[in-house]
Amino acid sequence: AQRVTQPEKLLSVFKGAPVELKCNYSYSGSPELFWYVQYSRQRLQLLLRHISRESIKGFTADLNKGETSFHLKKPFAQEEDSAMYYCALRAGNMLTFGGGTRLMVKP
Amino acid sequence: GAVVSQHPSRVICKSGTSVKIECRSLDFQATTMFWYRQFPKQSLMLMATSNEGSKATYEQGVEKDKFLINHASLTLSTLTVTSAHPEDSSFYICSARDIRDSGNTIYFGEGSWLTVV
Repeated sequence: AQRVTQPEKLLSVFKGAPVELKCNYSYSGSPELFWYVQYSRQRLQLLLRHISRESIKGFTADLNKGETSFHLKKPFAQEEDSAMYYCALRAGNMLTFGGGTRLMVKP
Repeated sequence: GAVVSQHPSRVICKSGTSVKIECRSLDFQATTMFWYRQFPKQSLMLMATSNEGSKATYEQGVEKDKFLINHASLTLSTLTVTSAHPEDSSFYICSARDIRDSGNTIYFGEGSWLTVV
């Protein structure tokens, strides 16, 4: 069975500092990985997916199959980045979420 | 972008009663919808996969007789919590996949807070 682990429940950084939200997964097949973000009082929304290899709102994430990781990074955090971030793995029809990391960006 | 709407956003019901939560895809069709449950400060746990025109697929440990799911059309799935108890109080979230989207993007509803008193 697949599993997604986000080791940090809370990450607090100052504005302008680099951010890395960690995500590790276990899955026997070829993974499809996503990052979702949930801003305060808003619905969960897709931030980015590994197959797109895109940068959204300055965030990037690279799939490292050797380390089974899909860490989310941003070089300079902004206050508006404060939110809950969930890493997710899709296997067939099923989306498995990590426990989530709350990012707090302080002014 | 595509929108998934849930109703009601908040509901309070008495213990022993049943409550229905609706999940609608507003501008797209979804053969598959998903129901999640989220406890405070915890992640989303998949409860069941709702398939249009067929029975829902429940995850292990989820009582199908307690959490009735109906996916009557390509734009509507309902979750009915039967004989609700206080421990059923939670945040329920639905999501749906646009059948036209080959990238398999999943869109989430805004969630429904259920409080059983």
